Amino acid sequence: AAGVIQSPRHLIKEKRETATLKCYPIPRHDTVYWYQQGPGQDPQFLISFYEKMQSDKGSIPDRFSAQQFSDYHSELNMSSLELGDSALYFCASSLGSFSSYNEQFFGPGTRLTVL
Amino acid sequence: GQNIDQPTEMTATEGAIVQINCTYQTSGFNGLFWYQQHAGEAPTFLSYNVLDGLEEKGRFSSFLSRSKGYSYLLLKELQMKDSASYLCAVRSGNTPLVFGKGTRLSVIA
Repeated sequence: AAGVIQSPRHLIKEKRETATLKCYPIPRHDTVYWYQQGPGQDPQFLISFYEKMQSDKGSIPDRFSAQQFSDYHSELNMSSLELGDSALYFCASSLGSFSSYNEQFFGPGTRLTVL
Repeated sequence: GQNIDQPTEMTATEGAIVQINCTYQTSGFNGLFWYQQHAGEAPTFLSYNVLDGLEEKGRFSSFLSRSKGYSYLLLKELQMKDSASYLCAVRSGNTPLVFGKGTRLSVIA
């Protein structure tokens, strides 16, 4: 069965650079979530989209932005990177809005290292 | 906001049974999820509870008591591959999941 695809899997950037992370949800899934997980930390919710509209916002820094496109894939844009942005970034997708039970399927993650 | 507590670490023996507890405080409770996460990998879904009681799925079971703000994940017939972090996550109303800090389970021979 198709799973959530994230690219790239690994990314190395320097401070103050920009990065774009991509997420391709499971086919027919209309909701995408972005999480940041630092070393030894639990996943922290950043932002989510339902039907191409932002549905909720968590602890996403102002330096980050995201969007969901017409084909439901999503991109997380990160600017002015800081050392503390080094983390695993997971994308998850689900079918349906938050109001219904909707298991979130996680992608393999993008490991971002900021030097 | 939500407050989710789970033990940081647990150790259990191969073939044994282990229970991982999770307590939470939230308003508008709308479901509790358990995820398994191996180091450096994505969380994978284990179970979902929204009503009180026990949900069984193979070697894994999850229990919920909404009045007590309490859940547990029960793992039977432990295998070495069960060594992982187990994340309790709670949803309130229509908000996204909030994860606990996870319980790192080590299965020893």
